Amino acid sequence: AQSVTQLDSQVPVFEEAPVELRCNYSSSVSVYLFWYVQYPNQGLQLLLKYLSGSTLVKGINGFEAEFNKSQTSFHLRKPSVHISDTAEYFCAVGESGYSTLTFGKGTMLLVSP
Amino acid sequence: DVKVTQSSRYLVKRTGEKVFLECVQDMDHENMFWYRQDPGLGLRLIYFSYDVKMKEKGDIPEGYSVSREKKERFSLILESASTNQTSMYLCASSPLSEQYFGPGTRLTVT
Repeated sequence: AQSVTQLDSQVPVFEEAPVELRCNYSSSVSVYLFWYVQYPNQGLQLLLKYLSGSTLVKGINGFEAEFNKSQTSFHLRKPSVHISDTAEYFCAVGESGYSTLTFGKGTMLLVSP
Repeated sequence: DVKVTQSSRYLVKRTGEKVFLECVQDMDHENMFWYRQDPGLGLRLIYFSYDVKMKEKGDIPEGYSVSREKKERFSLILESASTNQTSMYLCASSPLSEQYFGPGTRLTVT
């Protein structure tokens, strides 16, 4: 069985500062990894995905993530955040060949001026 | 762009009512999903479907049923709504790997 741990439930940060949202997963098989963002009262939007290939993945809105197989991590980073990045971020893991995903409990990113 | 729509953004129902939540996708995806989202618990899978008339239980199917009569439409049914089913309900569709989400339905059961 797969599981996803998002180590921080909330991350407060000042505008223009860098941020890292942490995600660790457990799985015994080949995985797909995703980060989604959810703005208030909206559905989830795909930020980026790792399916195979390069371990550094770039997504929308200036975000990137690095797949580290040995540490079973997929941390999300942005070098300089904006107020508009305030949202909840979800890490998810899927198994190669299957459509179901397991989601983490989410990390609320709070960007203040 | 993939579009997933849900029939209502907000819904208020009484305890014991039968509730239908509808989800439609326009990308001919095989797979569709229903989740509920509660603060501190993240997304929990209720049911999913990988083909018309096919369904599989997720992690929390109790108190829910689903219907998929057409490929583009996946319905979630609360046979007798209870207050503990007050939640945000999210529908998603998927070709295989990534999932595409609708805007969600915030259901309140009083």
